[in-house]
Order: sequence, then C-alpha cells, then structure tokens
Amino acid sequence: KAGVTQTPRYLIKTRGQQVTLSCSPISGHRSVSWYQQTPGQGLQFLFEYFSETQRNKGNFPGRFSGRQFSNSRSEMNVSTLELGDSALYLCASSTDRALAKNIQYFGAGTRLSVL
Amino acid sequence: DQQVKQNSPSLSVQEGRISILNCDYTNSMFDYFLWYKKYPAEGPTFLISISSIKDKNEDGRFTVFLNKSAKHLSLHIVPSQPGDSAVYFCAASAVDWGNTGKLIFGQGTTLQVKP
Repeated sequence: KAGVTQTPRYLIKTRGQQVTLSCSPISGHRSVSWYQQTPGQGLQFLFEYFSETQRNKGNFPGRFSGRQFSNSRSEMNVSTLELGDSALYLCASSTDRALAKNIQYFGAGTRLSVL
Repeated sequence: DQQVKQNSPSLSVQEGRISILNCDYTNSMFDYFLWYKKYPAEGPTFLISISSIKDKNEDGRFTVFLNKSAKHLSLHIVPSQPGDSAVYFCAASAVDWGNTGKLIFGQGTTLQVKP
C-alpha cells in the first residue's frame, strides 16, 4: 500500500502570494489532517477533514483553508503569505478505527519558504 | 500557549544506555498520550501510547510512564541503539474530542545515540 503522498516537496513563494498544497492519503483512509511544523513550536494542528467535511479546526487565521475531495485527497491553501508562514506542512491520514487510538500516518511534508 | 512541553531540545546518550525523554502538559482535559518519532525528510511515525487510566505501557525496548498528578510523562528507551537517533514528539489528545485527527504536540526532542 502506498503511503501518504504530499506534493510538491518544496515551494518558494514571496510575501502576499497564495499557495496550494496537496495530500493524497493512504487508500481507504477518509480522515486527513494538516499540521504546521516550525522550529521551537513543534507540530501545530491546522484542521481535519473527514468524508469531505471539516471535522475539526485549530487556531489559525482564516488565511489558512482546506478542502477534501470525494476520493479523500485533500488540499490546503494559504492566501496572502507572510514570512512567518515558512514551515514544513505535514499531512496525516487515518481511519476512524485507527483514530480511536489516535494513530495517524504522516506524509514527508511540503517545505514552504516565503521570501 | 504551549499545552504540551518538551523542555529538552536535545539529548545525547551512548549506545546501550538508557534514553529518557520527558514531556509535561498543562491541560487536565488530556487523557491520551502518544510518542511519535521523526527521521529527517520523513513524516512522524507512531511509536507508543498510553491512556490516562494506566501509569505505564511497554512495547519492546520502549516504555512510557505517566504521572497524572504531576502532569508529566516520559519515554524510556532501553537499550538505546544508533538507529533510535531521531526527533521524538510527545502528543496529547482528549476523549471528549471523539475520533479526531487533532493532536497537541510538544516541540520535540532530538535524540542522538552515539556508537
């Protein structure tokens, strides 16, 4: 079974631009969560989608948004990029059964640099 | 507000010795705790977890201890091996949240095991 795939692996953008990141979950997984990892902050929860509906949301500004498609693939979008948005964005997928034990499967992430 | 804290950014131990990674939390709502391990250029992978109804959980060389009154947990690795060198993240969840991909992570501790 293929793992969680995130594209692109690296991105360079400038302030004010917008960006879209993509995540393909493990086949059969309907839950997709997004995290932002920055030095000193660890992983911070952005949002979770399950069966195309946002099921949970973290404390990030409205510039961060996401969606999930019927095939469970998910995208996250960041508008009006700021320097502080530079981070590793991680996507994780899971099944409800695995989530009962809080187990998620992470992709390798997309490294976003905002100049 | 960092609800899960890993106060040691790094730890270095000799191969064969014990590694002890520590984690503190502030939110009394948390009742399920996990450790994830992350190698460079890879996503975090689930390592071990513990429910608040227990004070210890063991899986091979890995043992997690939970002290609810102190709001503290620790991960013991015995014996440590060079392949254990990675970043270790402590994470917490709450049963009240239901089945969700939402986890609150600490900042991570980089473990180096020297041969």
